[in-house]
Amino acid sequence: NAGVTQTPKFQVLKTGQSMTLQCAQDMNHEYMSWYRQDPGMGLRLIHYSVGAGITDQGEVPNGYNVSRSTTEDFPLRLLSAAPSQTSVYFCASRRDREETQYFGPGTRLLVL
Amino acid sequence: AQSVTQLDSHVSVSEGTPVLLRCNYSSSYSPSLFWYVQHPNKGLQLLLKYTSAATLVKGINGFEAEFKKSETSFHLTKPSAHMSDAAEYFCVVSDSAGGTSYGKLTFGQGTILTVHP
Repeated sequence: NAGVTQTPKFQVLKTGQSMTLQCAQDMNHEYMSWYRQDPGMGLRLIHYSVGAGITDQGEVPNGYNVSRSTTEDFPLRLLSAAPSQTSVYFCASRRDREETQYFGPGTRLLVL
Repeated sequence: AQSVTQLDSHVSVSEGTPVLLRCNYSSSYSPSLFWYVQHPNKGLQLLLKYTSAATLVKGINGFEAEFKKSETSFHLTKPSAHMSDAAEYFCVVSDSAGGTSYGKLTFGQGTILTVHP
């Protein structure tokens, strides 16, 4: 049982490049979420999903796309990276009707 | 709507002395509240959670927190700090609207705890 895994751990992009941050969980959790962490701002919700095929926007969705084709995977796509997207990104999952969310180890992204 | 305010961005204590990290929240519904800890360059680890049971919640590593509805507070305490407690701590409220829990978390800004020898 690996829990929540994220790849890559670290990435450097140039402005305008695209990439996908991968997130997977093996706990059969219905809910998955993406957060970004910036200094002094805690974690802010980007997008979330309540099940396969269902996604919704969080607090800061602009510049990011998501999809949920399977229960296990919830990739986050940056279509055209901007320096403002330099951040640490965390994926989380939880079971329906349970409060505790489980976080992945994070992806550190630098956009030049 | 819900929000969380952590009243101190930095707290510094000596090893062996008590720790107090303060958190106030606002929520339109009966909230679920959490404290998470993040050690440098690590992910987030759940310390403890309040979900409408006992108001005094005990967590891992000797931490505990008390839910005070009248004060809308959920302060984190530990009787005696250890060097390994040095980390950033986040107070978090969960959106549990009317029994249908979407589980969207709202984070406080974080409190960095420094422990001096």
